[in-house]
Amino acid sequence: NAGVTQTPKFRILKIGQSMTLQCAQDMNHNYMYWYRQDPGMGLKLIYYSVGAGITDKGEVPNGYNVSRSTTEDFPLRLELAAPSQTSVYFCASSYSGDNIREQYFGPGTRLTVT
Amino acid sequence: QKEVEQNSGPLSVPEGAIASLNCTYSDRGSQSFFWYRQYSGKSPELIMSIYSNGDKEDGRFTAQLNKASQYVSLLIRDSQPSDSATYLCAVTFSSGNTPLVFGKGTRLSVIA
Repeated sequence: NAGVTQTPKFRILKIGQSMTLQCAQDMNHNYMYWYRQDPGMGLKLIYYSVGAGITDKGEVPNGYNVSRSTTEDFPLRLELAAPSQTSVYFCASSYSGDNIREQYFGPGTRLTVT
Repeated sequence: QKEVEQNSGPLSVPEGAIASLNCTYSDRGSQSFFWYRQYSGKSPELIMSIYSNGDKEDGRFTAQLNKASQYVSLLIRDSQPSDSATYLCAVTFSSGNTPLVFGKGTRLSVIA
């Protein structure tokens, strides 16, 4: 199993550009998550999904959009990139049964907006 | 308010010593507790999970849970320089399908 994969690893965007961060998992997990982590800071939840077709906002959803059309994929869309979105983005997934929710993380995408 | 609190550190321990990392949480109904290790520039890696009161050991790592005190800790025995990382505590809260709530992490430095 590849686990959780993310592409690209690095990206530089100009202000106002848009992009999609890709995330895929092959563990048949029903839950998937997007976090951002600013330098020296903790993880902040952007969006999450409890299954295909179901998404919900996390702590910092503004400026982002998500969709979940399959169990495996959970892309994150940035519209009109701003310098404040410079961060490292982590995707994670978990199985949910009996409130046991071990999350497994992808390697991250380092995004710079200039 | 769902809160997970950790001392940000840095916690410095000499090589071979026991490192003790602590975490408190706000929801008495929480049921699942996790410790993640995050090396600089890398993604968080799950190292321990604990669901019942008491101790759980895995190699040099021991997780301790006290639900009455809303407290979970991680002990690292025989600390090595390779253990130097940020350790994140994560907790499931009791309300519905909510994701894990992460603490901000404690930075551990093991001095050779």
